[in-house]
Amino acid sequence: GEDVEQSLFLSVREGDSSVINCTYTDSSSTYLYWYKQEPGAGLQLLTYIFSNMDMKQDQRLTVLLNKKDKHLSLRIADTQTGDSAIYFCAEIGDSGYALNFGKGTSLLVTP
Amino acid sequence: DTGVSQDPRHKITKRGQNVTFRCDPISEHNRLYWYRQTLGQGPEFLTYFQNEAQLEKSRLLSDRFSAERPKGSFSTLEIQRTEQGDSAMYLCASSFRDSGGGQFFGPGTRLTVL
Repeated sequence: GEDVEQSLFLSVREGDSSVINCTYTDSSSTYLYWYKQEPGAGLQLLTYIFSNMDMKQDQRLTVLLNKKDKHLSLRIADTQTGDSAIYFCAEIGDSGYALNFGKGTSLLVTP
Repeated sequence: DTGVSQDPRHKITKRGQNVTFRCDPISEHNRLYWYRQTLGQGPEFLTYFQNEAQLEKSRLLSDRFSAERPKGSFSTLEIQRTEQGDSAMYLCASSFRDSGGGQFFGPGTRLTVL
């Protein structure tokens, strides 16, 4: 299948900005998503972006999409300890139904 | 609306036993999905329903797995003759037919096969 790649770990100090990066290979991806997963829990949809957009902002979250390079990023402003979790990048391509996830980036926010 | 719910949250079983999980989607959603997540991995697609019709099954879904959504509302996922390799978190999600707005996940059922 098509690949979605993410770095595995990121550590930031409380109050700093976090940037989580993702690359994907499916050129037919129509929507791209960021999900958050806390330990032992399901996935929470944080935000998404349509492939014809290059930026979307939602409160502390900013998504940037470089479709040419197939690169997606999630910036979290003023990161808090409650933001510590695993963040998954996902894309939905030609199928229109199956989300294809990366392995997740574990974000640790230290006081 | 209380979101997607799944039952049970945890299941421990012995190898060779059958298990069944239930998912209740968000009531307005007509699509329902099952995913499997193992430790250190992202979720992997298993199957999905549009209303009561099962429209797609991944090759990950062996013959021992069966899913139903008899009335287009809740769904069940049954695993027969469980194997240790079936140990995973089983996640259910739902969405509108146009799933561009995202799929909304339940808390998952963690299966441990001894």
